[in-house]
Amino acid sequence: KAGVTQTPRYLIKTRGQQVTLSCSPISGHRSVSWYQQTPGQGLQFLFEYFSETQRNKGNFPGRFSGRQFSNSRSEMNVSTLELGDSALYLCASSRGQGFSYEQYFGPGTRLTVT
Amino acid sequence: KQEVTQIPAALSVPEGENLVLNCSFTDSAIYNLQWFRQDPGKGLTSLLLIQSSQREQTSGRLNASLDKSSGRSTLYIAASQPGDSATYLCAVTVVIQGAQKLVFGQGTRLTINP
Repeated sequence: KAGVTQTPRYLIKTRGQQVTLSCSPISGHRSVSWYQQTPGQGLQFLFEYFSETQRNKGNFPGRFSGRQFSNSRSEMNVSTLELGDSALYLCASSRGQGFSYEQYFGPGTRLTVT
Repeated sequence: KQEVTQIPAALSVPEGENLVLNCSFTDSAIYNLQWFRQDPGKGLTSLLLIQSSQREQTSGRLNASLDKSSGRSTLYIAASQPGDSATYLCAVTVVIQGAQKLVFGQGTRLTINP
């Protein structure tokens, strides 16, 4: 069974630009969650999508958005990039909505904003 | 606001020792608690999930306990091996106005010396 895949693995953007990251969940998983990991703030929950709808959301500004497609693949978009958005972005998939199910993480996308 | 603390930030022990990692949280109203491991440059791997009604969970050489009233969880690793070297993170699920959020600790970086 293929694991969670994230593309691209590395990305360099300039402040003010926007970026879209992609996450393909494990086959059969309908929930995708997104996280931001930085040395200073640690791992922080961004949002969760289940059946194409955002179900849960962390405390991030509206510049961070996402969506989920009918095949459960998900994209995360960050607009008007700031230097502080440099981070490892992780996605995870699970069978059901919420966090009662085991989550399977992808390898992450390393975003650098210059 | 829920805060999760893991002490120590780093731990180094010789191979074969039994060890305990600690996790504390400020608000006992949690939905569940999870332990993850993260290898350098990789995503997270789910280790154990304890529902709020449970006291402990076991998987192989790992045993996690949960004491909601004191706001503490421990991860016990028996007969440690060099392959156990990783960063271990705990996370609690909180429910705020019907929405779930996952709050992570900063992690404990564990090194097992051969």
